[in-house]
Amino acid sequence: QVQLVESGGGVVQPGKSLSLSCAASGFTFSRFAMHWVRQAPGKGLEWVAVVSDDESYKDYGDSLKGRFTISRDNSKNTVSLQMTSLRTEDTAVYYCAKDFARTGGYFFDYWGQGILVTVSS
Amino acid sequence: DVQMTQSPSSLSASVGDRVTVTCQASQDIFDSLNWYQQKPGKAPKVLIYGASSLATGVPSRFSGRGSGTDFTFTISGLQPEDFATYYCQQYDSFPLTFGGGTKVDIK
Repeated sequence: QVQLVESGGGVVQPGKSLSLSCAASGFTFSRFAMHWVRQAPGKGLEWVAVVSDDESYKDYGDSLKGRFTISRDNSKNTVSLQMTSLRTEDTAVYYCAKDFARTGGYFFDYWGQGILVTVSS
Repeated sequence: DVQMTQSPSSLSASVGDRVTVTCQASQDIFDSLNWYQQKPGKAPKVLIYGASSLATGVPSRFSGRGSGTDFTFTISGLQPEDFATYYCQQYDSFPLTFGGGTKVDIK
């Protein structure tokens, strides 16, 4: 069965960097776009970033461009999110999500369990 | 960016009730709309994609309709396991955007 397992979360000081990783299994990873979606405590869902199946297309939420970088390694079935210049408002549960389509931008058919990132001094 | 306005933000209902949630897009998104259910402490789950298509394994009491800028999501005969928060999400253009959510709780 499809599994997405996030790792790398934790507490980080404002201005610092943190990298999240998502290990995928149970499907042909290289054929689907992957996303990161976040949810601040008690708030709604916010789309963060997408990477297409072959990494030819990447896009980000408006408030994240220039600070976050998404990447993938199809040989290791992993997708990563490098976060820099972190702000307190980046505190959230970060979900890795699989797209139903190859290029991204359809619907999220599988999600990880989420991982908490807390930005605090 | 496409803004998604979802209403109501919360509602109270009883088991067996018919529940309707609306989502309005700030511009024409055709039928590029999905609906998700999220329970506390859990990841969201897709229920409806393409405005009206039922995702695999989702009970038929869930339905969606609409196109352009106005969409509705309906639960016909609310069940105890349906008490949750529901989100719409557009995929017509990046950045992908979600509605603010509708929390459905027990009356």
